[in-house]
Amino acid sequence: QQQVKQSPQSLIVQKGGISIINCAYENTAFDYFPWYQQFPGKGPALLIAIRPDVSEKKEGRFTISFNKSAKQFSLHIMDSQPGDSATYFCAASMRSNDYKLSFGAGTTVTVRA
Amino acid sequence: GAVVSQHPSRVICKSGTSVKIECRSLDFQATTMFWYRQFPKQSLMLMATSNEGSKATYEQGVEKDKFLINHASLTLSTLTVTSAHPEDSSFYICSANRDSRTYEQYFGPGTRLTVT
Repeated sequence: QQQVKQSPQSLIVQKGGISIINCAYENTAFDYFPWYQQFPGKGPALLIAIRPDVSEKKEGRFTISFNKSAKQFSLHIMDSQPGDSATYFCAASMRSNDYKLSFGAGTTVTVRA
Repeated sequence: GAVVSQHPSRVICKSGTSVKIECRSLDFQATTMFWYRQFPKQSLMLMATSNEGSKATYEQGVEKDKFLINHASLTLSTLTVTSAHPEDSSFYICSANRDSRTYEQYFGPGTRLTVT
């Protein structure tokens, strides 16, 4: 049973466009929501993360929007570049569960030049 | 930054043999390390959590006698796949927490295991 649901499974965006990936969770005890970027054959790399007391966090071209009441959060990639083509995973964890990460299913993003 | 390494990056072994994968935190001490398995085009599945000096905690459905985890020091955890079979072929990834009070996990580059 996946605790974090992620959509879409894949998306294609033109260079310079905006990529949007959505995640939803059920367990309100989650208190940390990171996004990871993974290239083929590599380990995931932490991209950006948010805590539930903040509704938005921006780092460069990457923004997390967090809606606590709806139990949803999303990643926006602005001005998408071909180098952003990768698989993105949302995740959630809680201190009371040893910070174990529950991952979404992943979204493969393809940025066309 | 926080760097986690894994060795080997790729390993091919024959069915029935055992293989050991090392996970090291290079520039920090990791009180907790995690082991994940990832099948092609799928998400990461947590296998076990290991704390230095204590027994690993395995997730439901993971055979602890098959996947032996040892966290001998604050910078090294090992995963041994015993009596490997072709269905154990997968991408194994470790991660580490920088300290016990932070949420951030830093991932290793992964180990591709192929069992023939």
